[in-house]
Amino acid sequence: DIQMTQSPSSLSASVGDRVTITCRASQNISSYLNWYQQKSGTAPKLLIYTASSLQSGVPSRFTGSGSGTDFTLTISSLQAEDFATYYCQQSYTTPRTFGQGTKVEIK
Amino acid sequence: QVQLVESGGGLVKPGGSLRLSCAASGFTLSGYYMSWIRQAPGKGLEWVSYISRSAKTINYADSVKGRFTISRDNAKNSLYLQMDSLRAEDTAVYYCARDQKGGSSDYWGQGTLVTVSS
Repeated sequence: DIQMTQSPSSLSASVGDRVTITCRASQNISSYLNWYQQKSGTAPKLLIYTASSLQSGVPSRFTGSGSGTDFTLTISSLQAEDFATYYCQQSYTTPRTFGQGTKVEIK
Repeated sequence: QVQLVESGGGLVKPGGSLRLSCAASGFTLSGYYMSWIRQAPGKGLEWVSYISRSAKTINYADSVKGRFTISRDNAKNSLYLQMDSLRAEDTAVYYCARDQKGGSSDYWGQGTLVTVSS
C-alpha cells in the first residue's frame, strides 16, 4: 500500500498568516493527490483534486502543488473559517490511502 | 442540488451484520463511481471501498475484504454496504461519497455511525 505522510500533524496560526502543509507519498503517484478539509462533526470537503485543481466553490486562497511524491497545500491568508483538519489522499491506486491529517488551530 | 444521505447505522454485537444505504439525489447515480469511507472516533479517514458506474469494477481495503460487500441500484439511486462479521475495530462513522474523474470524492453524505460492541 502507498503510505501518505503529512507534516506537520498540527500547527497554530493567526488570521492572515500564510500556512503550508506538506504531504509525501511512499512512491510515485503522479498528480493523483487530493486535499480535503474537515471541520469538527462534519463530513470532509474536497478542496483540491489532482494536486493543483481547485474544486468549484473553493476560495482561491487555497492552492495545491507538487507531483510524484511531494505535495503542498498552501493557504495564502488564513481566515477564521479555515481552522480545521486537512487530509491528503492519493487516488493513484487502491487502497486510496489518506494522510493522518493536519490540525490547524488558532494561535 | 447534489445530496447523499446515509442510513442503517447503529449498535451491533461483534460478529453481527449491518447494511448501510446511501440515497442519492440531484444527480444521475449511474454516471459516477461511488465510494464508502469511514472514520473511527477521534481518528483519521480510511477509504473502505469503491464501485464503478455499472458495478463491474469493485475494490476493497484489506481490512474489510471478504467481510464487506458494496453494491448499487442505479434505478433506485442508491448505494449499499453490506457489513458482515463485524469487529470492534469497524466502529466508525461511515460516509458515502461521489467520485469524480481522477478518483477524488467531490460530494459526501453526513455519515452514519456504526458501533460494534457487546
